[in-house]
Amino acid sequence: AQTVTQSQPEMSVQEAETVTLSCTYDTSESDYYLFWYKQPPSRQMILVIRQEAYKQQNATENRFSVNFQKAAKSFSLKISDSQLGDAAMYFCAYKGPGHGATNKLIFGTGTLLAVQP
Amino acid sequence: DVKVTQSSRYLVKRTGEKVFLECVQDMDHENMFWYRQDPGLGLRLIYFSYDVKMKEKGDIPEGYSVSREKKERFSLILESASTNQTSMYLCASSFSSGSFIYYEQYFGPGTRLTVT
Repeated sequence: AQTVTQSQPEMSVQEAETVTLSCTYDTSESDYYLFWYKQPPSRQMILVIRQEAYKQQNATENRFSVNFQKAAKSFSLKISDSQLGDAAMYFCAYKGPGHGATNKLIFGTGTLLAVQP
Repeated sequence: DVKVTQSSRYLVKRTGEKVFLECVQDMDHENMFWYRQDPGLGLRLIYFSYDVKMKEKGDIPEGYSVSREKKERFSLILESASTNQTSMYLCASSFSSGSFIYYEQYFGPGTRLTVT
């Protein structure tokens, strides 16, 4: 069975600094998707960034980028120039191949990021 | 913008009560999901539905049932609430093209349920 592991329950970063959140996963599939979701306090979960496993290039979205290491089954999120609004719970998630009824996400346990002014 | 709404942000129920959690999405999405979020456990899938009246069990369906009579609405039912069902419940929806393209899930704000 596929699993997603986030080994950092909490992290802290100074405003304007860079922080990296770790995620590892286990799968026997070769084609899959990986995601980072952000859940701000008392607000809705939103998608931050996604990576298709067949793409060698790491995904980037403005200040957010990933380091996708397929062989190592590692998928870390880097937040550059951290802002107070980045404070949130971050979840790493995996989706295997397939479509339709198999649109199932497997989530890690989350990393709570605090941003210090 | 996609909007996923949930009927309550906070709910307090007594043990043994029947509890309904409702979720509505306004984007004509085929797929709808119910998750449970607990500290240290992340999100776990309870049930999902890929069409009206269609449902499939997720990872932790025990003690729950669902109903999807209309495309935009997906209800989670706790037949007889128990204290171990105290949790945050998140609804999500996504488009499904039937192809191998994956469309992201959009989440509701969550319902924090306390069973006493």
